[in-house]
Parts: sequence; C-alpha cells; structure tokens
Amino acid sequence: GNSVTQMEGPVTLSEEAFLTINCTYTATGYPSLFWYVQYPGEGLQLLLKATKADDKGSNKGFEATYRKETTSFHLEKGSVQVSDSAVYFCALGGSYIPTFGRGTSLIVHP
Amino acid sequence: EPEVTQTPSHQVTQMGQEVILRCVPISNHLYFYWYRQILGQKVEFLVSFYNNEISEKSEIFDDQFSVERPDGSNFTLKIRSTKLEDSAMYFCASRDLDSQNQPQHFGDGTRLSIL
Repeated sequence: GNSVTQMEGPVTLSEEAFLTINCTYTATGYPSLFWYVQYPGEGLQLLLKATKADDKGSNKGFEATYRKETTSFHLEKGSVQVSDSAVYFCALGGSYIPTFGRGTSLIVHP
Repeated sequence: EPEVTQTPSHQVTQMGQEVILRCVPISNHLYFYWYRQILGQKVEFLVSFYNNEISEKSEIFDDQFSVERPDGSNFTLKIRSTKLEDSAMYFCASRDLDSQNQPQHFGDGTRLSIL
C-alpha cells in the first residue's frame, strides 16, 4: 500500500536559517504530492503541491520538487521566520485515500 | 476564499455518551472526509464519502462511528458511545473532483475531550 515517511522532529532552527524537511514515499502509479502546514491550534492548510515528476511546488518561500527517481518530495526554505513555526505534513494523493506522514514539528527561534 | 467550517471547536462529553461533530464542506465539493489526530500523533484517515455513501473507511471507523449528509450542506460524524480513546482532534475535509491532483481543504477541527 501507499506510505509516506517524514523525518522526525522537532527541527529547531534560528531565524534566517535554511530549512529542509525530508519526505519519501511509497506508492503505486504516479500520485500527486502535497505539503500541508498546521499552525498551533489550527487545522491543516495546503502549503504546496506537485502533480508529476520534476514538478516544483512553491508557496510563501517554501519549495519542494517531485523526484520520482528517489521517490522524494523534500520541503525547503532558504530563510525561515519565527512565524514558520508549525507542524508540516507530507501527503500522498492516492486514488481513494490520501496518505499523510506523521508530521514534522518546526521550531524557529528569534 | 471558501472554506470548510466545523462546529463546535471544542466538545466535552462523558464517556458512553453520543456525540455529533458537524462540518460544512465547500459548497461545490463532491468528496468529503473525516480524519482524526490524537494529540502529538499523525493524522489518521477515518472515512470518505461520495454520492451519499461511504466510499472508503479505515479500521478505526468501526460500528460506533457513522457519517451522514442530512441536507445539502452539512456532513456529520457521529460517535455512538464514546470511549476515552476517542479523545482527539477531528478534522473534516472536502475535495471538488475525483482527481488525485486536487488537494483536500480542511476545516480547523473539533477538539473532542472524553471524560
């Protein structure tokens, strides 16, 4: 079946540091890939997506590239802010049941 | 931008009682979902719903759970006899097409606390 593996957190960074949150997946076919963000006390919000191999999703300075050869969709940001502190979920769009990773908590210090 | 709304934001219930969580999906969406997230753990799929019937459900979604779309706008999750382990955040989501390219749109969740 489909599965998503994310790096364990928390990831703790200073403001303006470079961020990478790793995500790899196992899937049949060619699923779409998503990153969702969950700010404290809120629901999940779509951050970015990519629908086919080599697509790059981007939003709010975050980027992720759909790498079919490595089955990865790592999230990156060049310079994080305190307001980026949240839990980030990598997700796989399947035929019926979208699959979420366990989430990675990001803590950014001033 | 249209959004998914959930009520209540926090529900406190005695163990053994029935609880109904309510969701209003985005109006032109066709696929509806319930997920739960136990504190500090991953987002777990419960059930998906399309064309007035359940299309998929997980092993978590046992006979104590049911879903309904009683009118054209609401989508409800009922837990018949709550247990302590049902305490979690419950998220409703909707999607407009049967396409894996379309993301789900989530509500802000209902925090369910079972005493």
